[in-house]
Amino acid sequence: SYVLTQPPSVSVAPGKTATITCGGNNIGIKAVHWYQQKPGQAPVLVIYYDTDRPSGIPDRFSGSNSGNTATLTISRVEAGDEADYYCQVWDVSNDYVFGTGTKVTVL
Amino acid sequence: QVQLVQSGAEVKKPGASVKVSCKPSGYTFTVYFLHWVRQAPGQGLEWMGRINPNTGGANYAQTFQGRVTMTRDTSINTAYMELSSLRSDDTAVYYCAKGGTFSSNWDAFDFWGQGTMVTVSS
Repeated sequence: SYVLTQPPSVSVAPGKTATITCGGNNIGIKAVHWYQQKPGQAPVLVIYYDTDRPSGIPDRFSGSNSGNTATLTISRVEAGDEADYYCQVWDVSNDYVFGTGTKVTVL
Repeated sequence: QVQLVQSGAEVKKPGASVKVSCKPSGYTFTVYFLHWVRQAPGQGLEWMGRINPNTGGANYAQTFQGRVTMTRDTSINTAYMELSSLRSDDTAVYYCAKGGTFSSNWDAFDFWGQGTMVTVSS
């Protein structure tokens, strides 16, 4: 099965940069999407196709993908960015796969 | 604006079935995949399957094969997910989500329903 591994937690001070990784075998050749989920709410798409931002998502959110790691970067972190973040890909053998999730805490 | 409105919370006994509905609006229902994703309490997201609302054809995750059925009614623009032989570990929030067009498996889930809590308890 195709596994996407994320760090369980990331802590960051307001105004600093948070980096969330998503590791998978040759993930660089796949399209990676990122979702933000706040407590009690449905997930929200924040990055699609590795680097693109949906309408309404601040440009503080950016993504990259190469080799065996995709990365979501949140610049100038705000208190409102505190949430769980999930990466996701489509894999021909395993259909749609989500990462293990990362809890971002703003200190 | 795009919205997906799901049916309300359910409480079921082990062995029973549950049917959750999802009614999208703000886009053409029959042009995009409709996915179902669940999340057990305190756990991550798990893809269950998807339906092509145009043809009614569905693909299910291996984990749910034989227990899940996804259908749609195009006359009322509504999709359904039925899960049978419920167990306590099926207790979760079930989400529907709009996917991409039928020509691409790679697209993101760009809009999500509000979620439906299903509790399985004797």
